[in-house]
Amino acid sequence: GENVEQHPSTLSVQEGDSAVIKCTYSDSASNYFPWYKQELGKRPQLIIDIRSNVGEKKDQRIAVTLNKTAKHFSLHITETQPEDSAVYFCAATGYSTLTFGKGTMLLVSP
Amino acid sequence: EAQVTQNPRYLITVTGKKLTVTCSQNMNHEYMSWYRQDPGLGLRQIYYSMNVEVTDKGDVPEGYKVSRKEKRNFPLILESPSPNQTSLYFCASSPSMWAEAFFGQGTRLTVV
Repeated sequence: GENVEQHPSTLSVQEGDSAVIKCTYSDSASNYFPWYKQELGKRPQLIIDIRSNVGEKKDQRIAVTLNKTAKHFSLHITETQPEDSAVYFCAATGYSTLTFGKGTMLLVSP
Repeated sequence: EAQVTQNPRYLITVTGKKLTVTCSQNMNHEYMSWYRQDPGLGLRQIYYSMNVEVTDKGDVPEGYKVSRKEKRNFPLILESPSPNQTSLYFCASSPSMWAEAFFGQGTRLTVV
């Protein structure tokens, strides 16, 4: 089955800095890569996703890049704000299941 | 309002006492799934369903059962709960597994 590795497990940045979270996946058939944000005590919510026919996607301060050859994808957050503090999960969808990484706790200090 | 509803939100039970966590969605989604979330382990899929009467095991199915008799409902059944099933459980639904998943509020289960 699919295996998704996510790094780092924790990330501390100053407000205004950029943050990058990286994920690798094992199943070359995976073709959908969503990112979810989970605030403390809340449910995960989708923030951005990318499909295998696209190399990069942006939505305001958030961007995701995908390298299918290397089987890795990354989340980039620019101009971080305290409200970006949360746990971020990457995921990959193969034939029938959605597999999540273990998560990255992002802490943005004012 | 489009939503996924889980019940109960919190549950404390004893080892061996059968329990069911309900999940219902009102978005006519075909794909539904159950996850457990444990510290340091992320979200791990327990079972999923691609449509009515179609269910399959995820990564950690041992000790759990599910059913999908109607499109909107996907209950999670623990026939004989054990302490290692103490966890935070999320139900999710989506139009397909290649689309945004909408999560329920979560159920925090403690088995003593």
